[in-house]
Amino acid sequence: EAGVAQSPRYKIIEKRQSVAFWCNPISGHATLYWYQQILGQGPKLLIQFQNNGVVDDSQLPKDRFSAERLKGVDSTLKIQPAKLEDSAVYLCASSLRPGLYNTDTQYFGPGTRLTVL
Amino acid sequence: QQQVKQSPQSLIVQKGGIPIINCAYENTAFDYFPWYQQFPGKGPALLIAIRPDVSEKKEGRFTISFNKSAKQFSLHIMDSQPGDSATYFCAAKGTRDTGNQFYFGTGTSLTVIP
Repeated sequence: EAGVAQSPRYKIIEKRQSVAFWCNPISGHATLYWYQQILGQGPKLLIQFQNNGVVDDSQLPKDRFSAERLKGVDSTLKIQPAKLEDSAVYLCASSLRPGLYNTDTQYFGPGTRLTVL
Repeated sequence: QQQVKQSPQSLIVQKGGIPIINCAYENTAFDYFPWYQQFPGKGPALLIAIRPDVSEKKEGRFTISFNKSAKQFSLHIMDSQPGDSATYFCAAKGTRDTGNQFYFGTGTSLTVIP
């Protein structure tokens, strides 16, 4: 079974530039998550999709961050314009269908390390 | 408000020792408590998980102890090995009514000395 794929793995940009990250979840997984992990901290949820609908985006800075999951499969996360404090690893995860017993397991991708200069 | 509090921040043990990492949570509605292991440059990987209807779960050298009344759970690593050196995160999941959101602890950096 292929895991969660993310690209790019690394990105360096200047502040005020734009950047986009891509995620391909495990086939058949209905739920997709984007997390921000700042160095030395635990992952913080940015947005959660169930199929192509948004379940929770309460911690997404909507003035600069946007995300979409077209057709309920792949997803992109965009930052426009980037700030210095956006430097972090952006993790994508997927799960089969949370809330049902034994399907809560989240599988994480390798992450995209963003450096904003 | 931090939903899940994790300690210690870092831990150093000798090979064969039993490191213990603790987590405490606030929301009694949480229904799933996983532990993740993360190596540098990699995403977190599920290590072991427990539901609140049991007090202990073992998988290989890893054990979760769960105290529902105290709202605490801990990870024990038996016979620790240098290959266990990694960062460990606890997490807790809300119910369907709250969107099944996961809340993570701040992580514990474990070093196992040969």
